[in-house]
Amino acid sequence: TQLLEQSPQFLSIQEGENLTVYCNSSSVFSSLQWYRQEPGEGPVLLVTVVTGGEVKKLKRLTFQFGDARKDSSLHITAAQPGDTGLYLCAGALGSAGKSTFGDGTTLTVKP
Amino acid sequence: DAGVIQSPRHEVTEMGQEVTLRCKPISGHNSLFWYRQTMMRGLELLIYFNNNVPIDDSGMPEDRFSAKMPNASFSTLKIQPSEPRDSAVYFCASSARQGWDTQYFGPGTRLTVL
Repeated sequence: TQLLEQSPQFLSIQEGENLTVYCNSSSVFSSLQWYRQEPGEGPVLLVTVVTGGEVKKLKRLTFQFGDARKDSSLHITAAQPGDTGLYLCAGALGSAGKSTFGDGTTLTVKP
Repeated sequence: DAGVIQSPRHEVTEMGQEVTLRCKPISGHNSLFWYRQTMMRGLELLIYFNNNVPIDDSGMPEDRFSAKMPNASFSTLKIQPSEPRDSAVYFCASSARQGWDTQYFGPGTRLTVL
């Protein structure tokens, strides 16, 4: 059983469109991180959220942590081909708990 | 900063051979993590070290896998004997503090066992 469920698994859109991807769990996390991974490279951290209801913005990317700290979403406005990649969420259980990664959403933005 | 360095970047070997993957974490980082990534299983944590001491190795698949961190600037992941099902991309990551601070990933080693 996967602790973190990410949806959709695959997403293919045109440049300029908006999109939202989700990361859901039945567990409560002390913090949650979003990473982006490009082909042939390791994941790169985009953001860490720690407070229930927290919203963070990174240019065209908006990250939200659920009020109950069980889920999170990533919204991209006006997607660009450079946004293409695998988006992974990782949740930490407790202050010293290890992080578990979801299976990821593979995003393709077509020019 | 050079980031996390892994070698080799690609490894092709035959079943039964020993494979050693190497990692140099970011200087000054206290924690080091080994992950395995496959299409079927996603990104899995194999083991993590804090201050060179293994803290959690519950993700190590079986006795064929072993990891060492003899000093703060070097770690190895060894598979002996290797099997085709070990084919995957192996990532090393490091973080500045104990536990689950921001992890910086290396470029990975793509292992193919024939």
